[in-house]
Amino acid sequence: GESVGLHLPTLSVQEGDNSIINCAYSNSASDYFIWYKQESGKGPQFIIDIRSNMDKRQGQRVTVLLNKTVKHLSLQIAATQPGDSAVYFCAAPHLTQGGSEKLVFGKGTKLTVNP
Amino acid sequence: ETGVTQSPTHLIKTRGQQVTLRCSSQSGHNTVSWYQQALGQGPQFIFQYYREEENGRGNFPPRFSGLQFPNYSSELNVNALELDDSALYLCASSRGLALETQYFGPGTRLLVL
Repeated sequence: GESVGLHLPTLSVQEGDNSIINCAYSNSASDYFIWYKQESGKGPQFIIDIRSNMDKRQGQRVTVLLNKTVKHLSLQIAATQPGDSAVYFCAAPHLTQGGSEKLVFGKGTKLTVNP
Repeated sequence: ETGVTQSPTHLIKTRGQQVTLRCSSQSGHNTVSWYQQALGQGPQFIFQYYREEENGRGNFPPRFSGLQFPNYSSELNVNALELDDSALYLCASSRGLALETQYFGPGTRLLVL
């Protein structure tokens, strides 16, 4: 079946610490994976993606790691700031019954940054 | 802020009624995908429109239908509303079928009483 899930529903960190958000996926055929950030009252916002032929990708203060052996990816946020407080989703493409592609999202991890 | 807009922002309906939600895609984007996000859950794919035709559908009943117009804006229609239809409805536009390029709108919050 299709599944993209997160290990922890909530994560609380101190400002300035590093945050790690984890995600397990089931579709080994996914070509890429995406991390989204959703702030209260807003739609999901693209953070970073990683292709399946990569193990690591870095952005501004964020790093995504992909372990295809155990079907796991993680999002690392360096020097977490109060503005990083949000719900974070991982998403992966799956095929619809008609053969087109859709994104399947995990349930999300709520990150709270304490000042 | 993305260039994707949705209307209305909030809506209250009663069971059995019909609702139409609207989405304007970002300039240059010809694909619109619709998602339903229940409280505390991740978005669930409803369907996608590409060049005015439905290009894929998730596990939603036929009472969920849509349209895409020549300017690539889109509508989501839901008939015979049920209480469980209460959710945030998100649309996302993308350039072609590259879902990794999609941008989300702010959503329409629907409450069915």
